[in-house]
Amino acid sequence: GAGVSQSPRYKVAKRGQDVALRCDPISGHVSLFWYQQALGQGPEFLTYFQNEAQLDKSGLPSDRFFAERPEGSVSTLKIQRTQQEDSAVYLCASSLAGANVLTFGAGSRLTVL
Amino acid sequence: GQQLNQSPQSMFIQEGEDVSMNCTSSSIFNTWLWYKQDPGEGPVLLIALYKAGELTSNGRLTAQFGITRKDSFLNISASIPSDVGIYFCAGPNSGGSNYKLTFGKGTLLTVNP
Repeated sequence: GAGVSQSPRYKVAKRGQDVALRCDPISGHVSLFWYQQALGQGPEFLTYFQNEAQLDKSGLPSDRFFAERPEGSVSTLKIQRTQQEDSAVYLCASSLAGANVLTFGAGSRLTVL
Repeated sequence: GQQLNQSPQSMFIQEGEDVSMNCTSSSIFNTWLWYKQDPGEGPVLLIALYKAGELTSNGRLTAQFGITRKDSFLNISASIPSDVGIYFCAGPNSGGSNYKLTFGKGTLLTVNP
């Protein structure tokens, strides 16, 4: 597609629920990133894929966070047993291989009650 | 880890005024990126700087890569209402994880018509 598409745009979850956030990167973009943006802060790195390989997951806050990109295109960020501190905007970005100029999606805003 | 300090945190200006904001780091960056984020959207790349001393323009925007490689500034000339938003500086981590961007906390710009 023309841009990075994320869904849902807004998600409200009760504490303890599992959520799944989807990202459709720009066609042909090998690299895919997930960032977390708390209110009033800049985005913070969560994880990085090159094609289907997850090369870096050092930014994932806990083992409740899991990301996958099984066919090297669409990616899903899953958060299990959500907590209030998980409330944030989750941004997906993609880029051509070797480039650190990222194109971001509009984000998925997660609110955990 | 690497940190980027942006100043000012927020600015309130009149339409037509020029704006200057900057970003500093305690460590060297080899690339500086300036992004703008509108409410409810993901960050959009404005300018990328790759060389110390480089001065690059994009319309009314001008950015410079500091000679020390530890700072960068962004100028906006003749501001208009649609310049409203949050401006982030960002740069890739050094070493082997240069795909990972560090973001500042942003400068919130408000333009009064």
